[in-house]
Amino acid sequence: AQSVTQPDIHITVSEGASLELRCNYSYGATPYLFWYVQSPGQGLQLLLKYFSGDTLVQGIKGFEAEFKRSQSSFNLRKPSVHWSDAAEYFCAVGSFYNAGNMLTFGGGTRLMVKP
Amino acid sequence: EPEVTQTPSHQVTQMGQEVILRCVPISNHLYFYWYRQILGQKVEFLVSFYNNEISEKSEIFDDQFSVERPDGSNFTLKIRSTKLEDSAMYFCASSKEGREQYFGPGTRLTVT
Repeated sequence: AQSVTQPDIHITVSEGASLELRCNYSYGATPYLFWYVQSPGQGLQLLLKYFSGDTLVQGIKGFEAEFKRSQSSFNLRKPSVHWSDAAEYFCAVGSFYNAGNMLTFGGGTRLMVKP
Repeated sequence: EPEVTQTPSHQVTQMGQEVILRCVPISNHLYFYWYRQILGQKVEFLVSFYNNEISEKSEIFDDQFSVERPDGSNFTLKIRSTKLEDSAMYFCASSKEGREQYFGPGTRLTVT
């Protein structure tokens, strides 16, 4: 069964500092990987996705993520955090062996940004 | 930019009552999903729907749950007899090709 682990429940960074959110997955085949962001009272917004090809993927809002098969990781990065990035971030792995294509989510990492 | 919408944003119901949560997926999408998030827990998959039938469902999605696409625009989740443990945020999602999924803002269901 597929699973996703986000080891950090909370992270606090200063505005302007760099950010890395960790994500480890367990999946039997080549995974489809996603990062979503959830601001308070909002739904889940897709930040970026990895299906195949270049292991460094760019997303919206200046985020990027790197797929490392050897480490079963898909860490999210941003070189300079803005106060508006404070939110909860979810990593997810997709199962697309049939038309079901369910997503399995990690527990989330809540990001706080200090001025 | 097209987005998934959900109504109501908050639903309060008494235990044993039926509830219907409504979703309008993005118009040219073909795959539809329901997820839920109990407070403080992970987002969990409930069901996926494609070509007018359920394509996959989780263990959570028992006989108390059903989904329907009654017309060309709506996608609904019905819970026949709500329990206290059904209290959660319910998210609808849609996908054009069955890969990336786009989520709605959610419906908070409170069962008292």
